[in-house]
Amino acid sequence: ETGVTQTPRHLVMGMTNKKSLKCEQHLGHNAMYWYKQSAKKPLELMFVYSLEERVENNSVPSRFSPECPNSSHLFLHLHTLQPEDSALYLCASSLQQGGAGELFFGEGSRLTVL
Amino acid sequence: AQSVTQLGSHVSVSEGALVLLRCNYSSSVPPYLFWYVQYPNQGLQLLLKYTSAATLVKGINGFEAEFKKSETSFHLTKPSAHMSDAAEYFCAVSYTGRRALTFGSGTRLQVQP
Repeated sequence: ETGVTQTPRHLVMGMTNKKSLKCEQHLGHNAMYWYKQSAKKPLELMFVYSLEERVENNSVPSRFSPECPNSSHLFLHLHTLQPEDSALYLCASSLQQGGAGELFFGEGSRLTVL
Repeated sequence: AQSVTQLGSHVSVSEGALVLLRCNYSSSVPPYLFWYVQYPNQGLQLLLKYTSAATLVKGINGFEAEFKKSETSFHLTKPSAHMSDAAEYFCAVSYTGRRALTFGSGTRLQVQP
């Protein structure tokens, strides 16, 4: 496989469930990102990891917990979510954080919280 | 704050007509600018990027954009729209040392037959 792969593509969960989103990149990149895309809102940067170290956390509620066990994998652990957390969650990677390097995106995980 | 603004959340053109999607940035330092496209139920795909080389940047699928410092703009154009161009388009900005891209709110392009 090549590129950035996200699983699952679709997830429905209740507010008391615990689930995880997975992202895997096969590009040899050093930085990985989680973005949230809600209807009628700009993409919101949630977390940035560079060389497996979290370097940015944009005031994201603690019910979202990221994990980056190595430079190829990124997880977003979900717990006690709210209906307003329903959105498309996009994972991306880049050769290095910021600057001129473009992001490569996965196809997203569509989350619905009931 | 350094940001990017996309004028027009929806743009509709006829097939074969010129496509013009507007993007303005606010910055006190030289920016890196990007255009991405998102088709339904997919992630974002890079169309083109400006990184302080040529001000006219050519991208995939016949799109191009021109960096105009005096106007703080980076508008996306395509001479002749195709039905397959219908999608959402995002302008994004980054800077040296900044950790990640900041995206505009997006413009949905409709192409009428």
